Amino acid sequence: GAGVSQSPSNKVTEKGKDVELRCDPISGHTALYWYRQSLGQGLEFLIYFQGNSAPDKSGLPSDRFSAERTGGSVSTLTIQRTQQEDSAVYLCASSFGGRTNTGELFFGEGSRLTVL
Amino acid sequence: SQQGEEDPQALSIQEGENATMNCSYKTSINNLQWYRQNSGRGLVHLILIRSNEREKHSGRLRVTLDTSKKSSSLLITASRAADTASYFCATTGGGNKLTFGTGTQLKVEL
Repeated sequence: GAGVSQSPSNKVTEKGKDVELRCDPISGHTALYWYRQSLGQGLEFLIYFQGNSAPDKSGLPSDRFSAERTGGSVSTLTIQRTQQEDSAVYLCASSFGGRTNTGELFFGEGSRLTVL
Repeated sequence: SQQGEEDPQALSIQEGENATMNCSYKTSINNLQWYRQNSGRGLVHLILIRSNEREKHSGRLRVTLDTSKKSSSLLITASRAADTASYFCATTGGGNKLTFGTGTQLKVEL
């Protein structure tokens, strides 16, 4: 597609359930990022992929959070045993990556997660 | 913790006026970027300034960078109601990780 695609756009779940959020980056972009944005706040870095490997996963809040990327394309962020404090907008972004990368990120519209 | 801190947190101006937002950061950087976020949407890249640049222009946008003070400013000239959004600075100190500030909420009134 022309831009970064995220699904679902909205997810309401009950505390304790697992959720999966999907990101489809721009074709050809080797770098992929997940950020979290709580209401009215800035962006909190979660994890960064270069290809299928994650050289920086320092932002994952706990071991309930995991992410994978397959085929150098689609990524899935999984939150197990969701808690109310996980409620936020999860934003995915992609970029060209590599030595020539300018650092400009292209963002999706986000997945809004509400944990009841 | 956030690398960048924007100032002010909120700004309200009249259409046609200029809007200035400031960003301070803590560690050395390779480049600094500004992004805009309309309510409920993703972020859109506005402009990038490298650490060896001091000023950059793009349309109605003017960005300055002072690495000695670890600060940057974003000026939007002749603001329009459509400029109403949150504005974030973001820095990269190496590699590809981009760290965002807390944002300035700009409201441009008719």
